Amino acid sequence: EVHLVESGGGLVQPGGSLRLSCAASGFTFSSYDMHWVRQVTGKGLEWVSGIDTAGDTYYPGSVKGRFTISRENAKNSLYLQMESLRAEDTAVYYCIRQVGGDNPFDSWGQGTLVSVSS
Amino acid sequence: SYELTQPPSVSVSPGQTASITCSGDKLGDKYVCWYQQKPGQSPVLVIYQDNKRPSGIPERFSGSNSGNTATLTISGTQAMDEADYYCQAWDSRNAVFGGGTKLTVL
Repeated sequence: EVHLVESGGGLVQPGGSLRLSCAASGFTFSSYDMHWVRQVTGKGLEWVSGIDTAGDTYYPGSVKGRFTISRENAKNSLYLQMESLRAEDTAVYYCIRQVGGDNPFDSWGQGTLVSVSS
Repeated sequence: SYELTQPPSVSVSPGQTASITCSGDKLGDKYVCWYQQKPGQSPVLVIYQDNKRPSGIPERFSGSNSGNTATLTISGTQAMDEADYYCQAWDSRNAVFGGGTKLTVL
């Protein structure tokens, strides 16, 4: 069974940094593209980063230059380094698995809450 | 940037058919998938590649995609189907979500 467990969320001040982690199990981690998607409480889903099996990374304009996605296949782990955090980055962040290409997100973690506030 | 538009809400009576639309420029040229999200839970994939159902998703869920509009159809809607539904497509390696539709079964 696929398991994705996020950690590292918490309260951080505006302008601060935070690193999220995702521990993956139940599948061959290195064979899948991985992503982070966030959701503001009561609002919709927003894709914030992706990394393919070759290590190439992708970001939307809203976080490019501030967020860095990375993976460590030997540890079956995905990371999201977030810098220069803003109040609008407050959200639940989900770790997600994807086969690649234009396939869907087929497994989601439970999410970790990031709160940016002074 | 590419945008997907969904109606904020749809209502349906139990046993009837619910249709949720997702609109985008030349959306029919892309694969669309749909996610269901119930309160306090992570999203779950219910339709992928326009009209395919993952294992474990009931047959009452179906999808179509043509022109500028994709549609999620739930036949014989049950109370347990009340949830938020999101469409999603890919645009140049960027994932794009619709704003979500709250389905109310009443």
